[in-house]
Amino acid sequence: GAVVSQHPSWVICKSGTSVKIECRSLDFQATTMFWYRQFPKQSLMLMATSNEGSKATYEQGVEKDKFLINHASLTLSTLTVTSAHPEDSSFYICSAFRQGIRNEQYFGPGTRLTVT
Amino acid sequence: AQTVTQSQPEMSVQEAETVTLSCTYDTSESNYYLFWYKQPPSRQMILVIRQEAYKQQNATENRFSVNFQKAAKSFSLKISDSQLGDTAMYFCAFLVPSGTYKYIFGTGTRLKVLA
Repeated sequence: GAVVSQHPSWVICKSGTSVKIECRSLDFQATTMFWYRQFPKQSLMLMATSNEGSKATYEQGVEKDKFLINHASLTLSTLTVTSAHPEDSSFYICSAFRQGIRNEQYFGPGTRLTVT
Repeated sequence: AQTVTQSQPEMSVQEAETVTLSCTYDTSESNYYLFWYKQPPSRQMILVIRQEAYKQQNATENRFSVNFQKAAKSFSLKISDSQLGDTAMYFCAFLVPSGTYKYIFGTGTRLKVLA
């Protein structure tokens, strides 16, 4: 299957700083990528849809100024958590959508963010 | 709007036995896809099996099979010969292959395989 990478896999940052998470589609071009947040023992919560060359579409309740998404190329989307606070600590997962025969999302391995 | 319901928060099964996880969904769409994903402790989402709604035949992948009942809007996953490595969270997901391409996820079923 297709491979999606995420970097870093684990990051600790101080409160008030910003942190960037990268999501790369390694073997196919993805016009659409997604960012999720997952709390322990819960399902994936969609934060936003990242569209190459255009602004991201955020889900209701997600602060677009706090969670900046950039999809600058067909293989890279980034999520920047700005002015992070301890409540932003979570597990963040990205996915890339492969359109066509598969019509399926391929998931990255996730990034664990801890804000101290 | 589409919804996905997984009514079993937790299940357990003895090693080598068979277990069935349930998933129901609601939609007015005729063209859609259904998926089962496994999320082990590593938290990597792994595709277990997928079903296109237009296909009448139930999908199978080795020890994993589905019972797709389109009229009843039911999509259950059967795991045969359960193995310790099957211990994980299992999520049912729904996709309409147009527009936003967003998945609608169920709340998940935590499966524990007992030795």
